[in-house]
Amino acid sequence: DAGVTQSPTHLIKTRGQQVTLRCSPKSGHDTVSWYQQALGQGPQFIFQYYEEEERQRGNFPDRFSGHQFPNYSSELNVNALLLGDSALYLCASSLVWRQDAGQYFGPGTRLTVT
Amino acid sequence: SQQGEEDPQALSIQEGENATMNCSYKTSINNLQWYRQNSGRGLVHLILIRSNEREKHSGRLRVTLDTSKKSSSLLITASRAADTASYFCATDGGLTGGGNKLTFGTGTQLKVEL
Repeated sequence: DAGVTQSPTHLIKTRGQQVTLRCSPKSGHDTVSWYQQALGQGPQFIFQYYEEEERQRGNFPDRFSGHQFPNYSSELNVNALLLGDSALYLCASSLVWRQDAGQYFGPGTRLTVT
Repeated sequence: SQQGEEDPQALSIQEGENATMNCSYKTSINNLQWYRQNSGRGLVHLILIRSNEREKHSGRLRVTLDTSKKSSSLLITASRAADTASYFCATDGGLTGGGNKLTFGTGTQLKVEL
């Protein structure tokens, strides 16, 4: 039973560029959430997708956008990268009817913006 | 923004001792969860306590919740070197706005020495 997978593992981009991060949820899960974790901080919620729609969004600018596909996998897109976007990006999956069971996290994508 | 803070920020103990971490939060919650993170990798869900529960046990873990004080504590008994990690509390406000989002604390870095 595969857990949550994310790609790529590491990524280096230049300011102003655009990046796409990918996530495959745990088998059987239908909800995907994205978090940004700066060094030394706790993760911060970016947004959550269910049934290919954004259900809830955190306090992040429109440069951050996402998508969920019919197979429940998801992408996080960040446009016009800033140095401050350097962080670990975590994807988490869950079941919409079992939100009280916690979320399963992937290993993350480490994004460095130079 | 972070939901609250965890105390202490760092904790160093000897193997076999107990470790206690505290978490404070700001808003009403549906449940509170604790996660472990090893060396900046993905988070692992440890335990979830609902807002109407006061105490919960899972193996060597004991969690308490005081909603009147908006605080929680995580006790790890008989700690092992493998427990060395960062521990985060996360609050779930429920299905407000149609989705669940986790709001994380700042984390406690636990080091268990042989």
